[in-house]
Amino acid sequence: EAQVTQNPRYLITVTGKKLTVTCSQNMNHEYMSWYRQDPGLGLRQIYYSMNVEVTDKGDVPEGYKVSRKEKRNFPLILESPSPNQTSLYFCASSLGHRSSYEQYFGPGTRLTVT
Amino acid sequence: GQQVMQIPQYQHVQEGEDFTTYCNSSTTLSNIQWYKQRPGGHPVFLIQLVKSGEVKKQKRLTFQFGEAKKNSSLHITATQTTDVGTYFCAGTGRRALTFGSGTRLQVQP
Repeated sequence: EAQVTQNPRYLITVTGKKLTVTCSQNMNHEYMSWYRQDPGLGLRQIYYSMNVEVTDKGDVPEGYKVSRKEKRNFPLILESPSPNQTSLYFCASSLGHRSSYEQYFGPGTRLTVT
Repeated sequence: GQQVMQIPQYQHVQEGEDFTTYCNSSTTLSNIQWYKQRPGGHPVFLIQLVKSGEVKKQKRLTFQFGEAKKNSSLHITATQTTDVGTYFCAGTGRRALTFGSGTRLQVQP
């Protein structure tokens, strides 16, 4: 089954404790991205990757890191999480790097930073 | 930068009533996509519009792209409880896809 998977689905952590949210897709998609969803603000892009070893900042990259060592994986790293990073996070992938392609979203990761 | 505004933020309708959500961009878009997110779920692609003035239908859903390619709408005829969720538009301008803030639809049976 074609899908995007994320782990963990739920995470409660404390300020400053490094964490990684994994994202994997099995559709051989070139383009992957991370979004955060907050009430009233919609989906805001954090980082995106057009292919292996190619990443770039989205609209809200501060406090986040990413890497793309393999085509299928695109982990999101929070080196020193803070309470304002409490949010619902979605990983997405699409066929190509042009934004006109349909985005496939993962199930989401709900992160709480205390 | 590119901004995509969506209204209303929330709408509560009786089952059988119609529903419309509107999307407006600060810049001309090359295309617009619509997604639906069920409560507790993830956004799922519905459709993409590319041409100026384009209208597409999916059963009770009608999608329009404005003549100036700066606005779009989604209209649902005779809503059903299965239509509950948040509807997002997402526009492509000079750079990446930018999502609107979404319209949350509640349908009273």
